[in-house]
Amino acid sequence: AQKITQTQPGMFVQEKEAVTLDCTYDTSDPSYGLFWYKQPSSGEMIFLIYQGSYDQQNATEGRYSLNFQKARKSANLVISASQLGDSAMYFCAMRGGLDNYGQNFVFGPGTRLSVLP
Amino acid sequence: EAQVTQNPRYLITVTGKKLTVTCSQNMNHEYMSWYRQDPGLGLRQIYYSMNVEVTDKGDVPEGYKVSRKEKRNFPLILESPSPNQTSLYFCASSLSGGGRAREQFFGPGTRLTVL
Repeated sequence: AQKITQTQPGMFVQEKEAVTLDCTYDTSDPSYGLFWYKQPSSGEMIFLIYQGSYDQQNATEGRYSLNFQKARKSANLVISASQLGDSAMYFCAMRGGLDNYGQNFVFGPGTRLSVLP
Repeated sequence: EAQVTQNPRYLITVTGKKLTVTCSQNMNHEYMSWYRQDPGLGLRQIYYSMNVEVTDKGDVPEGYKVSRKEKRNFPLILESPSPNQTSLYFCASSLSGGGRAREQFFGPGTRLTVL
């Protein structure tokens, strides 16, 4: 069975500082993808970044980067230069079975990030 | 504009009154899925569909039904809603499998309250 663990229910960061949100995962699938989504208070789910299990380099998207450590089964999200608009709930997710249809999609419980002015 | 739409966005109903939440996508995605979001639990998958007429249970399917008669639509049916189904529901779609499986596109969510 697949599982995502996010051990930080809530975090605070000062504006303009970097912050790391932790995510560990468990899967027996050889091919999988890891995702981070942002959910602001308005409720929509916003895709941030993707890392494939076979990708050699860590994914980056603007201020977001994914620190992928495959042997440790961790996929931490790093947000550089935090902004007030980054205050939101962040979900780590995994899609397994990518050698087939990729039908297994599991989310972690989320981390609520608050950016302080 | 590529999007996933859900209706209604908000619904208050009573125990036992059948309801349907519609979901439609315009991206020709094979894969569609329903999730419920509850505080402290993240998103949990209810049902998913890999293509027309192909559906399967997710982690929390009890009390829900789905159908996939057309590629673009994936309605969620609650035959006899109960208060423990009060939640925020998301529909999502994506391409299916392999290296093309990047992100899921989410609908705006449906907040359901069952009294």
